[in-house]
Amino acid sequence: GAVVSQHPSWVICKSGTSVKIECRSLDFQATTMFWYRQFPKQSLMLMATSNEGSKATYEQGVEKDKFLINHASLTLSTLTVTSAHPEDSSFYICSASLLRTTAYEQYFGPGTRLTVT
Amino acid sequence: RKEVEQDPGPFNVPEGATVAFNCTYSNSASQSFFWYRQDCRKEPKLLMSVYSSGNEDGRFTAQLNRASQYISLLIRDSKLSDSATYLCVVNKKSSGDKLTFGTGTRLAVRP
Repeated sequence: GAVVSQHPSWVICKSGTSVKIECRSLDFQATTMFWYRQFPKQSLMLMATSNEGSKATYEQGVEKDKFLINHASLTLSTLTVTSAHPEDSSFYICSASLLRTTAYEQYFGPGTRLTVT
Repeated sequence: RKEVEQDPGPFNVPEGATVAFNCTYSNSASQSFFWYRQDCRKEPKLLMSVYSSGNEDGRFTAQLNRASQYISLLIRDSKLSDSATYLCVVNKKSSGDKLTFGTGTRLAVRP
């Protein structure tokens, strides 16, 4: 159990266009999902916390107007990178929280590799 | 000081070796602790949660020392397939289920 899917797995787009990435929890409901970004040889950086039915909470330095997050249901969150630029090229990974016996555990999607040309 | 610190490695060990990774965390309010593994160009996968009493899962043993704010992961009888980056992860109750990741320790197991 606790499977998270992400779509697309990779995307190449031109500078100035927008890209939407979907994150789904397949066999559980997730009130909270998270969006991360990871540059080569660096650790995961949390971008935002996505809460079902409410606005996302963004980490310091992350532009909310550029990275639009929508968490319309308990199994789906989307991240839209608007007006993408080459510096937005990265590995974007979502995760969904599942409450186990004593703590929440996060399960990650397979990631989306974005290349902006 | 980083919230979660790990030796980046790489640890280069032969098959069958026992290897230990350490991790320290700075926030004493940290409540939950995990080890994740991440393969190159893949997503992190939960390896094990770390409990106060210590826990074991097959060849993997995790320990937590709250007084020293220190977490460890021991891998016995290393396999080639254990080669990956091991991420130390903590959670503070005050941050909900938001996780803080260490930068990871790279392990390379050679034949």
